[in-house]
Amino acid sequence: QQQVKQSPQSLIVQKGGISIINCAYENTAFDYFPWYQQFPGKGPALLIAIRPDVSEKKEGRFTISFNKSAKQFSLHIMDSQPGDSATYFCAAPALSNTGKLIFGQGTTLQVKP
Amino acid sequence: SAVISQKPSRDICQRGTSLTIQCQVDSQVTMMFWYRQQPGQSLTLIATANQGSEATYESGFVIDKFPISRPNLTFSTLTVSNMSPEDSSIYLCSARQSYEQYFGPGTRLTVT
Repeated sequence: QQQVKQSPQSLIVQKGGISIINCAYENTAFDYFPWYQQFPGKGPALLIAIRPDVSEKKEGRFTISFNKSAKQFSLHIMDSQPGDSATYFCAAPALSNTGKLIFGQGTTLQVKP
Repeated sequence: SAVISQKPSRDICQRGTSLTIQCQVDSQVTMMFWYRQQPGQSLTLIATANQGSEATYESGFVIDKFPISRPNLTFSTLTVSNMSPEDSSIYLCSARQSYEQYFGPGTRLTVT
């Protein structure tokens, strides 16, 4: 069974600090690697995603770094804010062009004011 | 981005009954999916809802238990059949538009 390993399981960061969440995938499908943000009682919201033909993508305070050879990708949240406190999930394609995603186990981020 | 709505948002059902969850997307999409999320846990893909043909189920999920319909490019239903307390979970509809995949707000199901 293909897996996506996400770490850390939980993270506490001071306001203004940098939050870093890492994911490692196993398969060879190259399609689309998204990160989702989920607040309690809500569905996952697409935060940022990267295609594997680039090594980095930045949108505002959020950056994805992608290392194809190591099969790893990470989410960096700069200038973390209390409103960023949520659960974050990475996902990797199960099979290219099928849309099927395998999700990491999630990281609960708490940003302290 | 695609906006996805689900009905109902939550329900409490008796053991042995069935519940149908509706998913509506605000634009035509080629791919729709159904996921399950246990509270506090990650997401697991149940099936791909194929327009005009039978759904494709992932390992551990079967059509008799989770029949899925997809009559057009904007709508799908998931039925949870003959429910047991183990089916208590959050059921999420998802749609893929271009390479981006969006989720609905989820249906929180409790089986007593």
